[in-house]
Formats: sequence, structure tokens, C-alpha cells
Amino acid sequence: KNQVEQSPQSLIILEGKNCTLQCNYTVSPFSNLRWYKQDTGRGPVSLTIMTFSENTKSNGRYTATLDADTKQSSLHITASQLSDSASYICVVSVWGDYKLSFGAGTTVTVRA
Amino acid sequence: SQTIHQWPATLVQPVGSPLSLECTVEGTSNPNLYWYRQAAGRGLQLLFYSVGIGQISSEVPQNLSASRPQDRQFILSSKKLLLSDSGFYLCAWTVGTNTEAFFGQGTRLTVV
Repeated sequence: KNQVEQSPQSLIILEGKNCTLQCNYTVSPFSNLRWYKQDTGRGPVSLTIMTFSENTKSNGRYTATLDADTKQSSLHITASQLSDSASYICVVSVWGDYKLSFGAGTTVTVRA
Repeated sequence: SQTIHQWPATLVQPVGSPLSLECTVEGTSNPNLYWYRQAAGRGLQLLFYSVGIGQISSEVPQNLSASRPQDRQFILSSKKLLLSDSGFYLCAWTVGTNTEAFFGQGTRLTVV
């Protein structure tokens, strides 16, 4: 069964600090992995997309890493801002499949 | 550019009443369309997806149904709502396989 596990479930950080979110998956055959940001009461918005051959990808203060051998990904947020408060969802695609496998998300709260 | 419209944004319905949520996509042809439900603090659960007009795949047996009367229109329905149908409903689209998913803004449904 294709599964995506995220940790931690939630975290609180002070504004300006860094944090790292984890995603482990058992999806096979792997196609790509995306990190989405979901503000409360809104639809998710894509932050990064990584394929099998990519190890690191950045989008502003967001940096995603992927280790396809260990089936692990991380999302690093640098110099957090209050607007980073949201749920971050790891989404993995199975090659050739229309369906996506979603993690439960990590809720990040940034405090001043 | 492609956009996705989902309405209404919020809905409060009594138990036993019918439901109709609508989603339309602009700027693309023959999209794959999806309906997800997200319970509070939980991940996205795939309810239905469609890869073409009139084609519906159901992932979870339940009180809901979906229809795709036009290429870029996807409708989620129920004849009689249950309390357990409360949640945040998201429509999404992709093109082909292994591509990014774009989400609507969601509908917050509360069944009372």
C-alpha cells in the first residue's frame, strides 16, 4: 500500500528561526514528490516538485531535499515569517497513476 | 492561464438535505478532475476522480456521488446528507499523469 508519513505532526517556532519538516514514503514506482502549503481554510498551493534524479530544490526561503534511495524528503524553512504559519503537505505520485498519495501534513505555527 | 473555481466557499446544511458542490476549470482541456475531503487535522482523502466526460472512479463507498457533465465541470452530490459528511471539500485538476495538482479554494461543509 502506498503511504506517506510526515513528522512532526505540528511545531511552533519563533519568527526568524529555521525549521525542518520530514516526509517518508513507501510509494512505488516513484514518479515525483511535491510539497504543498495550505493556509487555513484554503486549498493547497505547490511549493516544490522533485523527480527521482533531483536531490535539492529551492523556492525562496523553502528548500526541499529528496533521497530516493531511503525514500525520504525534507522541507527546510529558513528565517521563518509569520506568513509561514500553515500546514505543509507532502504529496507523492506513483508513476503512470492518476492518483496522488498525500501525507497528513505538518502544521507550522510561527510566533512573533 | 489555468484557473479552477469551486463554490460555495461555506455551506451549512441540515441532516437529510441534498448537496451539490460545483467545480469548473478554465484554460485547459481534458483535465483529470478530483474531489477530496479533509477532516480537521487530517490528510486529504480522495473521494472521486475522473479522467474524461462521464467517467467517474469512486475511491470510498459512501453517501456521496460525483458527475462530470462537461469536460471542465465536476459536481459532487448527495441525496441525503449525514452528520459525518461534514468537512472541507477540495476540487483539484491535473493534466496527464505525474503532473502537478492545482486545487480550488475549498468548501467548508457543516451538516447540522
